[in-house]
Amino acid sequence: EDKVVQSPLSLVVHEGDTVTLNCSYEVTNFRSLLWYKQEKKAPTFLFMLTSSGIEKKSGRLSSILDKKELSSILNITATQTGDSAIYLCAVGGPNDMRFGAGTRLTVKP
Amino acid sequence: NAGVTQTPKFQVLKTGQSMTLQCAQDMNHEYMSWYRQDPGMGLRLIHYSVGAGITDQGEVPNGYNVSRSTTEDFPLRLLSAAPSQTSVYFCASSPPVGGYTFGSGTRLTVV
Repeated sequence: EDKVVQSPLSLVVHEGDTVTLNCSYEVTNFRSLLWYKQEKKAPTFLFMLTSSGIEKKSGRLSSILDKKELSSILNITATQTGDSAIYLCAVGGPNDMRFGAGTRLTVKP
Repeated sequence: NAGVTQTPKFQVLKTGQSMTLQCAQDMNHEYMSWYRQDPGMGLRLIHYSVGAGITDQGEVPNGYNVSRSTTEDFPLRLLSAAPSQTSVYFCASSPPVGGYTFGSGTRLTVV
């Protein structure tokens, strides 16, 4: 059975810290890995990764995929309280996306 | 600039009642999906559609029906509500390549 596992489940840091969130997967047919941020309501799309070793970056957030290790990391540098959210990792295509349980990040002032 | 519109935002049902969750998107996306989100379990796929007239089951389809008569609309029907269907439901749409755009969610409680 396909599965996506995220770690840690929760994380508390202080503003300015750098955090690394992990996602590992076991799927029969890998197409892409996506990261989402979920605050109070709906998840919002952050990154889509399809090729190993190519970093995607948006401001203080960056992500990279390692297909050999079947994993991805999401880095957030210089964290702010507005980064507090659940970060979801998902693997698959547009009709069969499988999500991990998420990492709850809390950034304290 | 509506994106994905879901209604209602909240609903309480009695066991055995039926209802329809509405979902509409204005981005001309081919793919639409319904997910439920339960604590500690992440998002699980209920049903999906790859275009008007085409639907298929996801990971947890039992107790739910869908139809896709137009590109824009993808309603989810609960046939006979059960307490196990208490959850937050999200509708999502996407192009063939790229991330989902999610609706704002429906919090459903079945008593």
